[in-house]
Amino acid sequence: DVKVTQSSRYLVKRTGEKVFLECVQDMDHENMFWYRQDPGLGLRLIYFSYDVKMKEKGDIPEGYSVSREKKERFSLILESASTNQTSMYLCASSPGTEQFFGPGTRLTVL
Amino acid sequence: RKEVEQDPGPFNVPEGATVAFNCTYSNSASQSFFWYRQDCRKEPKLLMSVYSSGNEDGRFTAQLNRASQYISLLIRDSKLSDSATYLCVVIKGTYKYIFGTGTRLKVLA
Repeated sequence: DVKVTQSSRYLVKRTGEKVFLECVQDMDHENMFWYRQDPGLGLRLIYFSYDVKMKEKGDIPEGYSVSREKKERFSLILESASTNQTSMYLCASSPGTEQFFGPGTRLTVL
Repeated sequence: RKEVEQDPGPFNVPEGATVAFNCTYSNSASQSFFWYRQDCRKEPKLLMSVYSSGNEDGRFTAQLNRASQYISLLIRDSKLSDSATYLCVVIKGTYKYIFGTGTRLKVLA
């Protein structure tokens, strides 16, 4: 079974803090993705990566950066957290078309 | 206009009923189509792919209508365990996955 894990299920941070969300997959997938999911807006793509050290902006990259130093790990970084970044963050990996999601991190920024 | 649109529901149906959802997409260059299921407070999981010829998996049937730019999901003999949010996904190019906001289904005893 494909396993995608995320470092935290729930996280509470303060405005201005630097936040790291980690995602690890164990199936040697090339492609990895970070989404945020908000009520009424669905899943929106923040960044994706199709290879180690490669990254592409998604639809809403502002305020975020990513890092992919190893194939299995894709990190999302909030450089200076803001309250409008309170959301559910979902990581996914994919060998091709099907995406496998992690359990999500519910981030609250106070 | 959103690239992928779904009726948010909720669709409340009794057990054993047949229910159908549609999802419309705006870009005719869209290449691949899927239905995902998301349970409350859980991650989305692939339910089925959607092919031009239609495909069936047990009680679930998915169809694609390219001319009218919509995909559909039909669930027969609904079970309580089918209660979930169903997400339509359209892929453009290699990496561009566009998710609908989901249709919520509640199957009632």
